[in-house]
Amino acid sequence: GENVEQHPSTLSVQEGDSAVIKCTYSDSASNYFPWYKQELGKRPQLIIDIRSNVGEKKDQRIAVTLNKTAKHFSLHITETQPEDSAVYFCAATADGLTFGKGTHLIIQP
Amino acid sequence: DAGVIQSPRHEVTEMGQEVTLRCKPISGHNSLFWYRQTMMRGLELLIYFNNNVPIDDSGMPEDRFSAKMPNASFSTLKIQPSEPRDSAVYFCASSFTGGPNEQFFGPGTRLTVL
Repeated sequence: GENVEQHPSTLSVQEGDSAVIKCTYSDSASNYFPWYKQELGKRPQLIIDIRSNVGEKKDQRIAVTLNKTAKHFSLHITETQPEDSAVYFCAATADGLTFGKGTHLIIQP
Repeated sequence: DAGVIQSPRHEVTEMGQEVTLRCKPISGHNSLFWYRQTMMRGLELLIYFNNNVPIDDSGMPEDRFSAKMPNASFSTLKIQPSEPRDSAVYFCASSFTGGPNEQFFGPGTRLTVL
């Protein structure tokens, strides 16, 4: 089955700086790579996703890149704001999602 | 649409008791997923259904866990008998197709087994 590794487990950045979270996956059949944001006590919510026929996707301050050859994908958040503080999960799938262990992003004022 | 609905939101029970978690997917969605979240193991897929049929239950931890989807608008996850290590938040999610599309998560059920 699929195995997703996510790094780092905790990331602290100054407000206004950029944050990068990286994931690798093992199953070359995976073709959909979503990123979810989960605030404390809340449900995971999709913030951006990318499919295997695309190398990069951007939505305002958030971007995701995918390297299918190397089997890794990354989340980039620019101009970080306090409300970006949360746990971020990457996932990979052909059907059911396999999640990474999560990155706790802390935005320092 | 109210989104994915789960009940109960919180459940506290004693070891050995039967626990039933319920989920109503978003109307029109034909795939339903059950996840378990713990600090130690993160978010784990337990089972998913496509058009009410179980497709992959390899994530179900053991025979004490069972899931059903009798119709397109209702699913249950049952634990019998429950154990303290089953304490976790259980999420239900639904999506429009069985293929890779956005999954919408319910609010979760926080289960505590004493």
